[in-house]
Amino acid sequence: GQNIDQPTEMTATEGAIVQINCTYQTSGFNGLFWYQQHAGEAPTFLSYNVLDGLEEKGRFSSFLSRSKGYSYLLLKELQMKDSASYLCAVILRWAAGNKLTFGGGTRVLVKP
Amino acid sequence: EAGVTQFPSHSVIEKGQTVTLRCDPISGHDNLYWYRRVMGKEIKFLLHFVKESKQDESGMPNNRFLAERTGGTYSTLKVQPAELEDSGVYFCASSLSLGETQYFGPGTRLLVL
Repeated sequence: GQNIDQPTEMTATEGAIVQINCTYQTSGFNGLFWYQQHAGEAPTFLSYNVLDGLEEKGRFSSFLSRSKGYSYLLLKELQMKDSASYLCAVILRWAAGNKLTFGGGTRVLVKP
Repeated sequence: EAGVTQFPSHSVIEKGQTVTLRCDPISGHDNLYWYRRVMGKEIKFLLHFVKESKQDESGMPNNRFLAERTGGTYSTLKVQPAELEDSGVYFCASSLSLGETQYFGPGTRLLVL
């Protein structure tokens, strides 16, 4: 089966940095997505990693190590509006279709 | 550009009734996906359309669920008859082509009593 793990909940202070880890054990791998989801809203795309390394996009960065089955999402200069759930999702082999396999999500609470 | 839209936003029905959910993808997106999140669990894939054809329906739970995408534009997902365990949030997503980013709608919250 496919297994994608991420912490359930994290708390951080406004202005600080938080790192959300995601580990995966899947039969095949063709990329990893991070989405942000505010309560009651649509998951919104944050980043997509295919190759090893760090992708930076403003205050958000995402890292991937394919050999270790590991990714993290780094949120810098936290703002109150960053309080949300962060979803890690993997695309398996293209032959297995284009479906995303999700982790359970990490709820991040930013405190003043 | 309008995003993915879903209707209704909420639905409360009784066990045994029928419910139809609708998804309008981003204009021009050939790929349309349905996902579901039941209470306390992760979002799970249901099926994938390429235009009007079902590319992958491996995630459909049983034959009470019927998805269509006539004309290759909007899609409907019908649950008939609904059971208690069908309660959850049903998400639709679309992408321009295979391998491209999937953009999600806000979901339909279904409660079966």
